[in-house]
Amino acid sequence: GESVGLHLPTLSVQEGDNSIINCAYSNSASDYFIWYKQESGKGPQFIIDIRSNMDKRQGQRVTVLLNKTVKHLSLQIAATQPGDSAVYFCAEFPGANSKLTFGKGITLSVRP
Amino acid sequence: GAGVSQSPSNKVTEKGKDVELRCDPISGHTALYWYRQSLGQGLEFLIYFQGNSAPDKSGLPSDRFSAERTGGSVSTLTIQRTQQEDSAVYLCASSSNRGAYEQYFGPGTRLTVT
Repeated sequence: GESVGLHLPTLSVQEGDNSIINCAYSNSASDYFIWYKQESGKGPQFIIDIRSNMDKRQGQRVTVLLNKTVKHLSLQIAATQPGDSAVYFCAEFPGANSKLTFGKGITLSVRP
Repeated sequence: GAGVSQSPSNKVTEKGKDVELRCDPISGHTALYWYRQSLGQGLEFLIYFQGNSAPDKSGLPSDRFSAERTGGSVSTLTIQRTQQEDSAVYLCASSSNRGAYEQYFGPGTRLTVT
């Protein structure tokens, strides 16, 4: 696998600050882009998605931005809390009957 | 409702033994994925089942790994002649047709090969 042997990069932020987690994707034909959150000892959990015809989508305290020109996806978390500490994975989905493909993942560490 | 379940939650086996890991997806979900995750690392795709289509086995690391999905529901991942490098958490996920990219993950099986 692409992540075997490589430890995940870490982003450290102060509690209350905003966090920005970035991801580069590879398939320009993907129809949806998704963010997942994995807390320690658990499986990943869906956070938010964005369709390829959009450039921004907001959820509760989270915003996803899509820049198709440079194949870049980001997740912004407002007022980061200790409970946001986790590994975050971006994923891309080409379309129906296709396989979801995960990126390498980034560890978010929130300092009290 | 019930989520994805996996069994066993932990498995310790001796090098060279075969192991079977089970996944019960959410009822009605047509897609089922197996991933492997080593400590502190990302998700390694293993195999993908979609309905009655032939599975995508492109992520299986060797011919010691195989998986079945019976009746479009329960799946079993089998690792033959286990090696120490097979030690990892094995995660199963399922998704529906309508929400194909929203995967629901099980808690995983932690496999330790001694």
